[in-house]
Amino acid sequence: QQPVQSPQAVILREGEDAVINCSSSKALYSVHWYRQKHGEAPVFLMILLKGGEQKGHEKISASFNEKKQQSSLYLTASQLSYSGTYFCGTAPNAGNNRKLIWGLGTSLAVNP
Amino acid sequence: DTAVSQTPKYLVTQMGNDKSIKCEQNLGHDTMYWYKQDSKKFLKIMFSYNNKELIINETVPNRFSPKSPDKAHLNLHINSLELGDSAVYFCASSQSNGYNEQFFGPGTRLTVL
Repeated sequence: QQPVQSPQAVILREGEDAVINCSSSKALYSVHWYRQKHGEAPVFLMILLKGGEQKGHEKISASFNEKKQQSSLYLTASQLSYSGTYFCGTAPNAGNNRKLIWGLGTSLAVNP
Repeated sequence: DTAVSQTPKYLVTQMGNDKSIKCEQNLGHDTMYWYKQDSKKFLKIMFSYNNKELIINETVPNRFSPKSPDKAHLNLHINSLELGDSAVYFCASSQSNGYNEQFFGPGTRLTVL
């Protein structure tokens, strides 16, 4: 039931792009993306809902393939500040939108 | 102007002791959560309250007891602390009639010796 995130870790040079994936074995209503920097709390990045609705930061883009039960987070022209662990949280239906099932995270390091 | 605050930030205690963590949010949200994040960074939901009513109660030892005196506060009391309770505990809040984006507190690092 726990979503699977890939890759587990990625190292980039500043300016490079990365894609982080989140896959579920069950049908999804929503996918939430958060970033957690070392020693800090997770911070909301984006939410994608079944049907195409989404809300998030301007510089972050993501997709949600309902048929494949998969979401991808696109980090383009990476900056040093993008470093951290990225978590996806999934909800199977609108009624359980508050009970997110979290992936194990993808560690991203952006080097100069 | 802190949105979600937790106290204390660090908690070091001996096995068998009882301790509490407090959480407050000033965002006007109606839902609050307690999460446990272990050393491997796995984020696990423990409890959630909506307008002071318990709505999520995951499989956690009954040594853990949440309490919500009002919708802006959610406390966590832990009895008879064990070594395995060592973790970072995050409080979070969200508004249920929106996108439910969750705002996390700074976390409480609990170390049981």
